[in-house]
Amino acid sequence: KAGVTQTPRYLIKTRGQQVTLSCSPISGHRSVSWYQQTPGQGLQFLFEYFSETQRNKGNFPGRFSGRQFSNSRSEMNVSTLELGDSALYLCASSWERAVLETQYFGPGTRLLVL
Amino acid sequence: KQEVTQIPAALSVPEGENLVLNCSFTDSAIYNLQWFRQDHGKGLTSLLLIQSSQREQTSGRLNASLDKSSGRSTLYIAASQPGDSATYLCAVPMNRDDKIIFGKGTRLHILP
Repeated sequence: KAGVTQTPRYLIKTRGQQVTLSCSPISGHRSVSWYQQTPGQGLQFLFEYFSETQRNKGNFPGRFSGRQFSNSRSEMNVSTLELGDSALYLCASSWERAVLETQYFGPGTRLLVL
Repeated sequence: KQEVTQIPAALSVPEGENLVLNCSFTDSAIYNLQWFRQDHGKGLTSLLLIQSSQREQTSGRLNASLDKSSGRSTLYIAASQPGDSATYLCAVPMNRDDKIIFGKGTRLHILP
């Protein structure tokens, strides 16, 4: 069974631009969560989607948004990029609910903001 | 507010030794506790998930324990190998607000 895939794997943007990251979960998984990982803050929860609805959201500004499609694929968007948005963005999928089950992580998208 | 702490931040041990990684959390109202492994710059791999009603979980050379009342979990690695070198993170999903809080991890280096 194919694992979680994320595209693109690497991205370089400049301040003020926007970016869209994509995540395809494991087949049959309906929950997709997004995380930001930085050396200073570690791994921080961004949001979780289930059946095209945002179930939960972390403490990030409104510049960070996401959505989920009917096939469970998910995208996250960051608008008006700031230098501090440079990070590894990870998505994870699970069958129904991230807090109750094992999550399976993708390889991540490394974003560098110049 | 839940806080998850992992000590030490880094650890180097000779190959073949048994070792223990620690994870502590401040709020015991958790669904479960998960241990993950992350190889440098890559995604996370789930190692063990312990339900809140369980005391321990084992997989191969790994054994994880959970003591909710004291807010602690340990990951025991037996007969360490160079391939075990990675960062190990614990994660605590909260009952109260359905969010998952990660520790900052312990970076483990097994010396050949």
